[in-house]
Amino acid sequence: DAKTTQPTSMDCAEGRAANLPCNHSTISGNEYVYWYRQIHSQGPQYIIHGLKNNETNEMASLIITEDRKSSTLILPHATLRDTAVYYCIHLESGGYQKVTFGTGTKLQVIP
Amino acid sequence: DTGVSQDPRHKITKRGQNVTFRCDPISEHNRLYWYRQTLGQGPEFLTYFQNEAQLEKSRLLSDRFSAERPKGSFSTLEIQRTEQGDSAMYLCASSIAKSLSTGELFFGEGSRLTVL
Repeated sequence: DAKTTQPTSMDCAEGRAANLPCNHSTISGNEYVYWYRQIHSQGPQYIIHGLKNNETNEMASLIITEDRKSSTLILPHATLRDTAVYYCIHLESGGYQKVTFGTGTKLQVIP
Repeated sequence: DTGVSQDPRHKITKRGQNVTFRCDPISEHNRLYWYRQTLGQGPEFLTYFQNEAQLEKSRLLSDRFSAERPKGSFSTLEIQRTEQGDSAMYLCASSIAKSLSTGELFFGEGSRLTVL
């Protein structure tokens, strides 16, 4: 199974940017980086994915290092509703790929 | 609501009883997944369907577990002779086979099982 390394937990002040790191040193050239989050008592929610270029959508930005061995998910203005567990995953796109979750980062947004 | 729906949301049962969970995926999604999640852990993959075909099963899916997707639409996950270790959240997800977004899964709210 593809492995990623994330900090167990992080705090962020409300209104500030939350920067969540992920190491994926075993990523292969055709694998994408995906981020999900899981708010308490809900199912995981897809956030964003990227291959090598930085990506932005209405939820977050994804910054991938040039060597692709790590990435950072940025929530530009964290709110209390962003308190959740954030999962970083890498897998190929095209054809079936099993999505394997680790334990993620527990982000606590503090008022 | 056009998302993935799961039923029941909560189930409490006694050890040794059988339970069945139902998942209705997003209507045009041909891929369906079951995951299990225990407290403090990320979701663990159980099984995957493409249309009605069950294409992958985890070793976690013991012979007491069976999943079906008879017409390629809704799916059921049955647990026979439940054990206390089966207590968990059972999550269903669906996706559509597209070339560049195969990791984008849409999850339901989950079915929480408590075995007494």
